[in-house]
Parts: sequence; structure tokens; C-alpha cells
Amino acid sequence: EPEVTQTPSHQVTQMGQEVILRCVPISNHLYFYWYRQILGQKVEFLVSFYNNEISEKSEIFDDQFSVERPDGSNFTLKIRSTKLEDSAMYFCASRDLPGQGVFFGQGTRLTVV
Amino acid sequence: QQPVQSPQAVILREGEDAVINCSSSKALYSVHWYRQKHGEAPVFLMILLKGGEQKGHEKISASFNEKKQQSSLYLTASQLSYSGTYFCGTDVHAGGTSYGKLTFGQGTILTVHP
Repeated sequence: EPEVTQTPSHQVTQMGQEVILRCVPISNHLYFYWYRQILGQKVEFLVSFYNNEISEKSEIFDDQFSVERPDGSNFTLKIRSTKLEDSAMYFCASRDLPGQGVFFGQGTRLTVV
Repeated sequence: QQPVQSPQAVILREGEDAVINCSSSKALYSVHWYRQKHGEAPVFLMILLKGGEQKGHEKISASFNEKKQQSSLYLTASQLSYSGTYFCGTDVHAGGTSYGKLTFGQGTILTVHP
């Protein structure tokens, strides 16, 4: 069964460093997302991406964040200068069409020290 | 504004039934239900589109009351594997276009004991 894959599964970084989280969405999907979940809390929307551009972003997604789809398969989230409060599980997700389910990857646990 | 889920937690014995509710103050395009086990990704269960349809998935089904902007998830004859946190994710229909941004509720912790 097709699935969203994310790498790495766990990333530890020092405060102020840049990190890139990588995702391969399900191949025929058109809508891509990044969500995050701070330990024990609800899943929070960061950004949606459609037709090679950001379609919507949350207040969390400030200038430190960026997304890119460098080729036909990868979808990345970059955090330029990490802060302690960026520590969370980051989920990539994708969807085929409106009215279809959104499928999540296994997540990248980001720890900022 | 996030949807509100109730109850916050449910404890069941195997074979018992449960209902989890999700309410929104906004008009909804769709409601998505997910189950998340500790340390894992949310797993998609089903999507309910506006129109009040009820959907089923094995012993798990859900309904969507468009007028009340409420959805309910029904778990019947619960199994140990049903344990986890259940989230509803709501998609607000904005301007005729939905890019699928989901706003999640705070979750309902379901524990099934033998």
C-alpha cells in the first residue's frame, strides 16, 4: 500500500542551526502538507502546498520556515535557525483530491538542544 | 478555531461500545477521523463530507450532521487494538476551494482493557 515516507526519523540539532526535513508523498497525490505535534498535544497545521506553491500557512509558519518541492517526488521543510520551541514531531502528509483522506507519514522527531 | 471533542477520555472493556463526538463552530466541508497510537503517526480512518452521510469501516463508523456541524465516531464491540488517541480533523470550506488544511481537535484517549 502506498505510503508517505519521511527522513530522518529523528534529528537532534543545536539551537540556531538549520535543519531540513524530507518527505516523499504518495506518488499520485497533488496536495502536500506539513503538520507538527508537540509531545502530548494536538496536531497543528503548518503549511499546505499545491501546484508548486504554498496555498495556505499558519501563524506558526513564519519566516524561519520554508518548503520546497525540488523534484517530482520530494517535499522538504526547512527551518533556518532552530529554536528550543521547535522541538516537536513533524509530520508530512499528502492527499489526492478534495474530498479524499489526508495521509500522514511516520514523522520526524526534531529535538533542539 | 479548533473543533471540540468529547469525551476527553474513555475506558472500555473488550466488546463494549463507545461514541466520540466532534463539534465545530464553523461551517465544515468535511470531517476526517484519525487514530494515533503513542509515538506513531495519525492513521486515517475515514472522511465524512457535508451531506450528512454515514460511513463505515469494519466495526468503526461515523456520521456527520451538517446542520449542527457535528460528527460522531462509533466504535462497536471494541478490541484491544482500538486503544489510542482519536482525533477529528475539520476542513473549513473557504471560498469554494478547499486545499485540505485540517484543524484537529484535542483528541480523545480511548483505552480498551481485556
